[in-house]
Amino acid sequence: GAGVSQSPSNKVTEKGKDVELRCDPISGHTALYWYRQSLGQGLEFLIYFQGNSAPDKSGLPSDRFSAERTGGSVSTLTIQRTQQEDSAVYLCASSLEGTGPYNEQFFGPGTRLTVL
Amino acid sequence: AQSVTQLGSHVSVSEGALVLLRCNYSSSVPPYLFWYVQYPNQGLQLLLKYTTGATLVKGINGFEAEFKKSETSFHLTKPSAHMSDAAEYFCAVIIGGSNYKLTFGKGTLLTVNP
Repeated sequence: GAGVSQSPSNKVTEKGKDVELRCDPISGHTALYWYRQSLGQGLEFLIYFQGNSAPDKSGLPSDRFSAERTGGSVSTLTIQRTQQEDSAVYLCASSLEGTGPYNEQFFGPGTRLTVL
Repeated sequence: AQSVTQLGSHVSVSEGALVLLRCNYSSSVPPYLFWYVQYPNQGLQLLLKYTTGATLVKGINGFEAEFKKSETSFHLTKPSAHMSDAAEYFCAVIIGGSNYKLTFGKGTLLTVNP
């Protein structure tokens, strides 16, 4: 595909369950980002990958959140023991390179997570 | 600390009227500034950005924004609204040494009335 894709588009889970959210960046993009969009907090940065490494995890809200990236491509965001406050839209973005504002971040459509 | 403030969570205009969406930032150093648009159930799309150089920036779909350092503002305008402009608009900045971390405003929902 030409753009960033995310799956699933919607996920409903029960409190306490683990969930995995997937992001497929644009081919050739070395940088990948996760953001969270919630009613209370707006759009927040979660984590930044350069290749398979995550030099900035400063936005992850708790140790229940983790992310990995393999092969310099697909990334998975995992939330363990989900809580109702985790309900949000999780957005993934990728850019050709990681540094510099000249590298436009292209966003996927997001995964809407609902924790019951 | 709030880095980006968008005045007005909801703006309503008539088709053909001027669109003005306000954004102010707080930073001791000149930031990089962005406007993104989000249509329902879609991701964010970059409208325009200011990094260096000319302070009046033109973007897609007829939008433009002007960086005013003295006012710490980066307001988004379009001379004539179209029905297809109805969406949520986000102002964002990159401040400091990260060079990649976007900090977003709360967003402004634009409604265009026929």
